[in-house]
Amino acid sequence: GQQLNQSPQSMFIQEGEDVSMNCTSSSIFNTWLWYKQDPGEGPVLLIALYKAGELTSNGRLTAQFGITRKDSFLNISASIPSDVGIYFCAGRNGATNKLIFGTGTLLAVQP
Amino acid sequence: EAGVTQFPSHSVIEKGQTVTLRCDPISGHDNLYWYRRVMGKEIKFLLHFVKESKQDESGMPNNRFLAERTGGTYSTLKVQPAELEDSGVYFCASSEITGGREQFFGPGTRLTVL
Repeated sequence: GQQLNQSPQSMFIQEGEDVSMNCTSSSIFNTWLWYKQDPGEGPVLLIALYKAGELTSNGRLTAQFGITRKDSFLNISASIPSDVGIYFCAGRNGATNKLIFGTGTLLAVQP
Repeated sequence: EAGVTQFPSHSVIEKGQTVTLRCDPISGHDNLYWYRRVMGKEIKFLLHFVKESKQDESGMPNNRFLAERTGGTYSTLKVQPAELEDSGVYFCASSEITGGREQFFGPGTRLTVL
């Protein structure tokens, strides 16, 4: 089945640093999504991307839908302690509504 | 507006027992999804309801899993009999219309099978 390769698996950074993570797929997606999961909570949608090449920002977060439709990245600028959590990319190919998730990136921010 | 709720938040059972998980979607959301995350792995799709009908159940692992959504409101996911490999976090999500509207996730039920 379809798989998403998400990297890095984990990141340990200092407060104020910028962060970048990405997802790649062997298949084309029509939609790329980025979610964040806090402990004991479900994934919360951060950014949704619907067009190849699209670059979208949400506060300190910026994400791009790769031009090949097979990849996406998420950048977090000037990280703060509350950015800690697990970040998941997810893709949808349009044929169905189901989301294909990456394995997640665990982010730890040292104050 | 209340979000997606799931019950219980945690369940610990022994191999061979039965467990039923419940999901209440956001009011008015016709689409309801079940996903599962096994320790350290990706979140995997299980199935999708549109109202009370199963639209896509391609992710259901085997016939020990039974999902229902009678009346098109809340949904239950029953595992019978439970096996060790069924341990993980089960997420429910709902969305407003088919295609184009994003899915809102519940907090999950953490299932541990001993």
